[in-house]
Amino acid sequence: QKEVEQDPGPLSVPEGAIVSLNCTYSNSAFQYFMWYRQYSRKGPELLMYTYSSGNKEDGRFTAQVDKSSKYISLFIRDSQPSDSATYLCAMSPLKYSSASKIIFGSGTRLSIRP
Amino acid sequence: EAQVTQNPRYLITVTGKKLTVTCSQNMNHEYMSWYRQDPGLGLRQIYYSMNVEVTDKGDVPEGYKVSRKEKRNFPLILESPSPNQTSLYFCASSSTQSEQYFGPGTRLTVT
Repeated sequence: QKEVEQDPGPLSVPEGAIVSLNCTYSNSAFQYFMWYRQYSRKGPELLMYTYSSGNKEDGRFTAQVDKSSKYISLFIRDSQPSDSATYLCAMSPLKYSSASKIIFGSGTRLSIRP
Repeated sequence: EAQVTQNPRYLITVTGKKLTVTCSQNMNHEYMSWYRQDPGLGLRQIYYSMNVEVTDKGDVPEGYKVSRKEKRNFPLILESPSPNQTSLYFCASSSTQSEQYFGPGTRLTVT
């Protein structure tokens, strides 16, 4: 069993829809949770990070963590064609993720139809 | 401009021929990492470094070596490449709690 499971998609939704992307994990030691966006032929870029249960909002993006269920989500409101990309969840056992092992999900490919 | 650079961007080589992929960052970051990305497997961490001369294994270190002799550089060395190391490789750097910047990627094919 993988430590982090993520539905690979592809997921296709119409412009303006609310998108829900999810990951589950098995290692209860994970404390730091991240979402990355990766456009085709580019390196990943960090969208959001959080190290506690609950919600964190940044513009149209909301990251949600439920440690009791070992489940994290990324919601995108008012989705735009420019949101079309692969979204990767990532987790780390330490608060300062840069100094530790980071485990990524396999990524969900998202397409927003105009 | 803050950036992470990798060279080469594309490389086709043969089994057993030693190669080095260079990574350099201009942000004075302490932390640097190497990842490989394969279809269906996502990004997997190969090695990471917390500072000069301090490195540690990630998830998939077998067949790779790294060194961190200068803060800005973190080369990835494949002493004897094999076809299962055909992949897309990313270098990344960050400081404490800062955003992790990824390089543009190196597509390696080992025949």
